Amino acid sequence: AQKVTQAQTEISVVEKEDVTLDCVYETRDTTYYLFWYKQPPSGELVFLIRRNSFDEQNEISGRYSWNFQKSTSSFNFTITASQVVDSAVYFCARGTSYGKLTFGQGTILTVHP
Amino acid sequence: GAVVSQHPSWVICKSGTSVKIECRSLDFQATTMFWYRQFPKQSLMLMATSNEGSKATYEQGVEKDKFLINHASLTLSTLTVTSAHPEDSSFYICSARDSPSGTGDTQYFGPGTRLTVL
Repeated sequence: AQKVTQAQTEISVVEKEDVTLDCVYETRDTTYYLFWYKQPPSGELVFLIRRNSFDEQNEISGRYSWNFQKSTSSFNFTITASQVVDSAVYFCARGTSYGKLTFGQGTILTVHP
Repeated sequence: GAVVSQHPSWVICKSGTSVKIECRSLDFQATTMFWYRQFPKQSLMLMATSNEGSKATYEQGVEKDKFLINHASLTLSTLTVTSAHPEDSSFYICSARDSPSGTGDTQYFGPGTRLTVL
């Protein structure tokens, strides 16, 4: 199976610290898609970003930034100046052209005041 | 836009009964819907892919006779857990995409349904 690995099971930081969540994926496909989702305690998955395999440009959205490195099959996610509201489980996922998603194990992020 | 709803949000049932969960795309037509299961503190596992007007495609290890999926319209898919047992207790999440197969567009997730079987 082509796995998605999130090496950090849990991360704990203090507010205003920067934090990076790692994601490494396996794929045999030429075309694929990478995603990050946030799952707060309510359980609903919140879409954060989608990247296709042909677009290695890094992206910044407010305090969030993503670093896609095809050479190392990594798609890392950084939160700058973390806030308590960022506390959640974050999932990285790889998708096929037909929409099938494989999720990583998730990283539990706790931001302390 | 791109809102997906699920009903009910939680359900408690007795062992041996059947439970139906609905997944609706509220502001778009979903050609494909997906059903996931998530056990506590675990990741989401894809159970099946549901295409409007055709039979669902189940992942390996998922019993199609136990988890009946119907995608009768472009805005509604249902998952029926038949003869539920305590081990079926889980968080069931659906997602929907509005693009034709082959473009890998974003899936939008419903809020989930927490099933507890006593």
